[in-house]
Amino acid sequence: EIVMTQSPATLSVSPGDRATLSCRASHGINNNLAWYQQKPGQAPRLLIYGASTRATGIPARFSGSGSGTEFSLTISSLQSEDFAVFYCQQYNNWPRTFGQGTKVEIK
Amino acid sequence: EVQLLESGGGLVQPGKSLRLSCVGSGLTFSDYAMSWVRQAPGKGLEWVSAISGSGGSTYNADSVKGRFTISRDNSKNTLYLQMNSLRAEDTAIYYCAKADSKYYDINGYDDWGQGTLVTVSS
Repeated sequence: EIVMTQSPATLSVSPGDRATLSCRASHGINNNLAWYQQKPGQAPRLLIYGASTRATGIPARFSGSGSGTEFSLTISSLQSEDFAVFYCQQYNNWPRTFGQGTKVEIK
Repeated sequence: EVQLLESGGGLVQPGKSLRLSCVGSGLTFSDYAMSWVRQAPGKGLEWVSAISGSGGSTYNADSVKGRFTISRDNSKNTLYLQMNSLRAEDTAIYYCAKADSKYYDINGYDDWGQGTLVTVSS
């Protein structure tokens, strides 16, 4: 099983600032990585797939990068609606696995 | 607009069974692989099971292997999760999630239901 490790667990950021979230895979997963955003009481929402491709309707301030075992999600200028928990997920191997999540909170 | 609506959750005793359903609308259901993903209270996401668009291929997490069975009825636009021998650690919100390919989730899960809560307790 591929273990996905996200860091940090919590990120305190001021609105308008830049946020960078990290995700590491225990084995290489090519670019078969997705990022999701989840707000309290809601289902997850797909932000990024293929490590760097924004999903339909996702603002350009969200960007993803990386390949192999190291990945990152950057939010260029945090808006009030962006504060949430973010998860990475690999879909290179079975079973699919998620990271434990990074909570982005208002500083 | 794609909509996925789960049902079937509830309170069940340990060792008992439950069947979850997920009805899809606004899509040609058989064109898409589907998965179940769960989230224990206050915890992160855990992938549970996946099934191809035709239903011919299925995959399961080790934590549910031999106890849970994923299936689908494309004539009813419905995905199922049969859960047997339930344990306290199966307590979670169960989401159905749609891939954007018939065969497997080549680009993650682009649509999700609102979830149904399963509580396993005596």
